[in-house]
Amino acid sequence: EVQLVESGGGSVQPGGSLRLSCAASGFTSSDYWMSWARQAPGKGLEWVANIKEDGSEKHYVDSVKGRFTISRDNAKNSVYLEMNSLRAEDTAMYYCAKSGTKNDYWGQGTLVTVSS
Amino acid sequence: DIQMTQSPSTLSASVGDTVIITCRASQSVRTWLAWYQQKPGKAPKLLIYKASTLESGVPSRFSGSGSGTEFTLTISGLQADDFATYYCQQYDNYSLFTFGPGTTVDIK
Repeated sequence: EVQLVESGGGSVQPGGSLRLSCAASGFTSSDYWMSWARQAPGKGLEWVANIKEDGSEKHYVDSVKGRFTISRDNAKNSVYLEMNSLRAEDTAMYYCAKSGTKNDYWGQGTLVTVSS
Repeated sequence: DIQMTQSPSTLSASVGDTVIITCRASQSVRTWLAWYQQKPGKAPKLLIYKASTLESGVPSRFSGSGSGTEFTLTISGLQADDFATYYCQQYDNYSLFTFGPGTTVDIK
């Protein structure tokens, strides 16, 4: 059974940092692009970043460029999102997803709250 | 950047109705378009990918069509379990995915 489990969310002050993790099981994550998306409270979905199978290519939505870094450790079947210089508008549920010809599996999310 | 729009933003319907949601892209995404269903407090669920391919396990009352810049999601015979928010997403190339703003289907 395919599972994606996010962790690392929490409350942080503006300007702070967090590192989100996504542990994949039930499939070989190194065979797939992986993505992070987010959803602010009461708002729609926003794709945040994705990373190629071997980590050689990464892409980000403009609003997080220079602040967030996506990475992966295929030996651990894990994907990460390092978030720096956090802002109030980064407050959201963060989801990781298995990507490719279809984004078919999503985790249940980890909540990030940025507030003073 | 490719922008996605959806219409309507909210749709009131009854069980048994046929519902059509439209998604438009600001430039061609060929058929790299997916539809998701999301219920409150839950992760998105993939319904349709490559514009018209039904994801495994998704009821056949859901169907998708379109290519290029205009796409539709049709729910034929709305069921109680279908009241939710629906999002389209383009994934024409890996450099930038974009979601539409969502369409909420609620009970009339």
